Amino acid sequence: DAKTTQPPSMDCAEGRAANLPCNHSTISGNEYVYWYRQIHSQGPQYIIHGLKNNETNEMASLIITEDRKSSTLILPHATLRDTAVYYCIVRVMFSGGYNKLIFGAGTRLAVHP
Amino acid sequence: ETGVTQTPRHLVMGMTNKKSLKCEQHLGHNAMYWYKQSAKKPLELMFVYNFKEQTENNSVPSRFSPECPNSSHLFLHLHTLQPEDSALYLCASRGTSGRADTQYFGPGTRLTVL
Repeated sequence: DAKTTQPPSMDCAEGRAANLPCNHSTISGNEYVYWYRQIHSQGPQYIIHGLKNNETNEMASLIITEDRKSSTLILPHATLRDTAVYYCIVRVMFSGGYNKLIFGAGTRLAVHP
Repeated sequence: ETGVTQTPRHLVMGMTNKKSLKCEQHLGHNAMYWYKQSAKKPLELMFVYNFKEQTENNSVPSRFSPECPNSSHLFLHLHTLQPEDSALYLCASRGTSGRADTQYFGPGTRLTVL
C-alpha cells in the first residue's frame, strides 16, 4: 500500500500558486519523498524529491515539515499545462541497492483560466 | 523527453497472439522497471531488473515474461493475454547515485486485448 495520502482533486487559477499537500506520517528516517506528475495517458514525469530540507528546482518547490510527516509541493505560477495528476510517493529502499516507488491515487489538479 | 523510449506506443492484440513490448534507455542507468496502469487504478509495479538481474516479480502472471538482455534494453513478452490485461504499460529506468537515483519513465505502450 502507498505510504502517503493526498486529496483526490484540487483547482487552481492560472497564474496563481498551486499548493499540493501530502501526508506521510509513517515515513522512516532514511526514506525520501518524491513527487511525479502524469498528464493524461503519458508516462509519469519526475518533478522533485527531498529528504529533510526544503528543495527548489526549475519546476517546483518542496516544503517538508520538520517532523517529516507531511510535505507540500508548490507550483509557483500554475499554467494550463500543469493540469495533471500529481503523485506524492515515499521511496522505499530494499537490500541489494534497488528502490521502489509505490504509487497511490494522487491529486488531480485542474488549472483553469 | 526523458531518454526512455517505448515501442510500440499502441498495440491491439487478440488473446491468442504473441507480442513483445520494447523499452530502451539512453541514460546509462543500471536498473529498469515495468509498471502496469489499468483504468482508474494506481500504477502497479510488475518487474524490477537491477544490473540485468531480476530482483522483483510482483506476483505477475506467467503470461507476462520479461527479458533484460543488457542494461539499456528491457522487453515484456506477452502471450495468451486476457481482456483485463488491457492497460498502459510503462517502463522506467534508474541510475544508482545522486540525482541519478531517480526513476525516469517512458511514454508507455497502450495495450488493448480483444
